[in-house]
Amino acid sequence: GAVVSQHPSWVICKSGTSVKIECRSLDFQATTMFWYRQFPKQSLMLMATSNEGSKATYEQGVEKDKFLINHASLTLSTLTVTSAHPEDSSFYICSARDQGSDSPLHFGNGTRLTVT
Amino acid sequence: RKEVEQDPGPFNVPEGATVAFNCTYSNSASQSFFWYRQDCRKEPKLLMSVYSSGNEDGRFTAQLNRASQYISLLIRDSKLSDSATYLCVPKGAGYNKLIFGAGTRLAVHP
Repeated sequence: GAVVSQHPSWVICKSGTSVKIECRSLDFQATTMFWYRQFPKQSLMLMATSNEGSKATYEQGVEKDKFLINHASLTLSTLTVTSAHPEDSSFYICSARDQGSDSPLHFGNGTRLTVT
Repeated sequence: RKEVEQDPGPFNVPEGATVAFNCTYSNSASQSFFWYRQDCRKEPKLLMSVYSSGNEDGRFTAQLNRASQYISLLIRDSKLSDSATYLCVPKGAGYNKLIFGAGTRLAVHP
């Protein structure tokens, strides 16, 4: 089945630094990938849609200059949290779809970010 | 109105019990529907797709009622390993969006 790999699984960083998270589709090409964020005991919130070869589409309220998304190839999307602050501490999950628009999403294993 | 509404639970049931979750969605244009399960501090994993005629996968049965805009999931013979949060996910407007609610938490006890 389709596999999405996300790296790193967890990261601890100091306030003000930047953190890059990678999301790879391992056995399929993904022209579109999605980045979600989940705070404790809350639902997954879609942050942005990453489009291969073009700019990402951000959801309302998500700062595009703070959460930089790059989707340079059909198998890799990256999310960079710039100038991270403690309130950015969260569980970040990427996902992709390997077939048509009605097929389900497959998720990476998530990245737990803690900003101290 | 929220796009997806589910009873957050928790549903505390003994092993072997049958439990049912309902979910309502607001976007009548939703075409595809899925149930995911999410374990604590893990990513969601696809449990099953939901088809218009209803479908079954082992102990799990999913139903879709488009007229009333709700989806259900029935779990028979609950196992301890079924303990998780169950997310009802209609595919929202547009090509790709999946909108997640907070899910329903299930706790199966011995």
